[in-house]
Amino acid sequence: EPEVTQTPSHQVTQMGQEVILRCVPISNHLYFYWYRQILGQKVEFLVSFYNNEISEKSEIFDDQFSVERPDGSNFTLKIRSTKLEDSAMYFCASLGLAGVGYFGPGTRLTVT
Amino acid sequence: QQQVKQSPQSLIVQKGGISIINCAYENTAFDYFPWYQQFPGKGPALLIAIRPDVSEKKEGRFTISFNKSAKQFSLHIMDSQPGDSATYFCAANNQGGKLIFGQGTELSVKP
Repeated sequence: EPEVTQTPSHQVTQMGQEVILRCVPISNHLYFYWYRQILGQKVEFLVSFYNNEISEKSEIFDDQFSVERPDGSNFTLKIRSTKLEDSAMYFCASLGLAGVGYFGPGTRLTVT
Repeated sequence: QQQVKQSPQSLIVQKGGISIINCAYENTAFDYFPWYQQFPGKGPALLIAIRPDVSEKKEGRFTISFNKSAKQFSLHIMDSQPGDSATYFCAANNQGGKLIFGQGTELSVKP
């Protein structure tokens, strides 16, 4: 069964540093997403991406965040100048034509 | 209007019992209602999903009941097992749109 993959599984960074989280969505999917889950809380939408541009973003997704799909397979989330409150699990997801969403295993980001 | 409200927040069920988790939505444009199961340290995994043209969908021990007029849907887990212990999220979206998640229900099935 096809799956969404994410790297790294765990990223530790110092406050103020930049991090890039990587995802490889399912190859024939068209819609891509990043979600965030702070420990013990619900999964929160960050951004959706379609046709090589952002289609929707949440209030959380401010100028500190950016996404891109540089080579047609990878889908990245960049967080500039990380803050302590950015510590969370970050999930990539992709959506096929049938509307079924598949999530990656997540990247645990720890900002110290 | 984009919210999906989920209850209860936590649920303890005896092995063999029925687990019931409820969700309510507001946006009538939603046309796809999946349930995700999440184990600690893992990403949410699609469990079962329903579209509003049917009132019930069953897959094994898992059943979704859908009430379009009330804008509610629920997950029933029959013969609950300790291995079902996980966090369950309901969600909703419209085609191509973002998935909106409920707050999650932490299910614990006691042996």
